[in-house]
Amino acid sequence: GAGVSQSPSNKVTEKGKDVELRCDPISGHTALYWYRQSLGQGLEFLIYFQGNSAPDKSGLPSDRFSAERTGGSVSTLTIQRTQQEDSAVYLCASSRRDRAYEQYFGPGTRLTVT
Amino acid sequence: GDSVTQMEGPVTLSEEAFLTINCTYTATGYPSLFWYVQYPGEGLQLLLKATKADDKGSNKGFEATYRKETTSFHLEKGSVQVSDSAVYFCALLSGNTPLVFGKGTRLSVIA
Repeated sequence: GAGVSQSPSNKVTEKGKDVELRCDPISGHTALYWYRQSLGQGLEFLIYFQGNSAPDKSGLPSDRFSAERTGGSVSTLTIQRTQQEDSAVYLCASSRRDRAYEQYFGPGTRLTVT
Repeated sequence: GDSVTQMEGPVTLSEEAFLTINCTYTATGYPSLFWYVQYPGEGLQLLLKATKADDKGSNKGFEATYRKETTSFHLEKGSVQVSDSAVYFCALLSGNTPLVFGKGTRLSVIA
C-alpha cells in the first residue's frame, strides 16, 4: 500500500510482559517518528529516526522503551515489563527529509495493559 | 521548551455554524505552524500550514493565520458540515525538532 502501516492494530497484554509494535513507513521517506496518544493528553513524541543518523530518543519516557529501525525502513518499538500507564495508542509517522512538517501517520496500535 | 496550547473540547456545533478553535504557541525562534486533523477511525493528516508571520494557510474551507504578535494560529471555518466532525491538533515545528502537538480539540457537528 501507499500509506504508513502499523501492526498489530490492537494489543492486549498483561502487566510485566514485553511487547513489540511494528511500523512500515512510506517508501522513500527517510524520517520516521513514534508518538503516543493517551486519552486527554494529545500526542507525545517518543523517538525520531532520520536516515542513518543517531535517533533522537529524547521523548522516551523510561528505559523500558526502545526502538530500532532496520535498513532505514521498518521500525519496531519495544516496551519491556509493561505497566498499566503504558496503555495508549502508539502512532508512527514518516516524512521526506526536506518536508519534516508533512508527516504521514499510520492508523496506530492500541495497547491495553491489564 | 516549545509548546502548543489549544482550546479544550469537545466543541459541538450545528451544521453551517461558524467554527473557531483557538491555538497559541510558545517557541524560540520562528516556528512553522500546522493544523492536523484526525477523522474517526483514520490516522492524522495535515490540514493546513503556515511557515512565516502573516501567512494564511487554507484547505477544505478551513483557514488559519500565523499571528506573531499574539503567538496564535486559530483555526476557522465559515460553515461547518457533519463531515468535519473530527479531532483537530495544532502543531509547531521549530528548527530540527520534531513536531510539537497540542492536546487536540474534538469537534462534533450535528445536522
